[in-house]
Amino acid sequence: QVQLQESGPGLVKPSETLSLTCSVSGGSLSNYYWSWIRQPAGKGLEWIGRVFSSGRTTYNPSLKSRVTLSVDMSKNQFSLKLTSVSAADTAVYYCARTRTGYSYYFDYWGQGTLVPVSS
Amino acid sequence: SYVLTQAPSMSVAPGQTARFTCGGDNIGRKIVHWYQQMPGQAPVLVVDGENDRPSEIPERFSPSKSGNTATLTITRVEAGDEADYYCQVWDSSTDHVVFGGGTKLTVL
Repeated sequence: QVQLQESGPGLVKPSETLSLTCSVSGGSLSNYYWSWIRQPAGKGLEWIGRVFSSGRTTYNPSLKSRVTLSVDMSKNQFSLKLTSVSAADTAVYYCARTRTGYSYYFDYWGQGTLVPVSS
Repeated sequence: SYVLTQAPSMSVAPGQTARFTCGGDNIGRKIVHWYQQMPGQAPVLVVDGENDRPSEIPERFSPSKSGNTATLTITRVEAGDEADYYCQVWDSSTDHVVFGGGTKLTVL
């Protein structure tokens, strides 16, 4: 059973960089895509982007200028960096394994981590 | 950008049938995935394609499509089905993933 666990600072100040890591257990990062998805309180899901095990990335155009995703195969982890954050970036951030074929979808999710942006 | 439209809420009595609709331009040409999100929890995949369910999801959950609308149907609704339900597609023209706004199911 694949398990994902997000980790990172509990609070980020405006204009700073939000950094999160997703640790994967029960399976390898190899040959899979891995995604980040966020959800502001009381609102819907927003896809942030995905990274392949090779490091190839695809980002949501609304966040592309501020987002960097990366993988660390040696630690079986992948990461999210979001720069110049504001209160609008306050959300629960989820990491998820991404399946492909004729589409992309998410079969395993982390429990999510709340990241408030506040001074 | 591609937009998926879902009704914000729905109420159904136990034992009845719930139908969640997801509207989008030419959605008939796309593969639609569905997720269930219980309060305070991460989303769970309930339909991973045209008619595929993860093994732990009961047969009461079934997808369909007609015209510009995709539908998730839950038969014999139970109190434990109360949750938010999201549809999701991959837009091949932009290579991006899109979620609908979600529908909150209340079991009366």
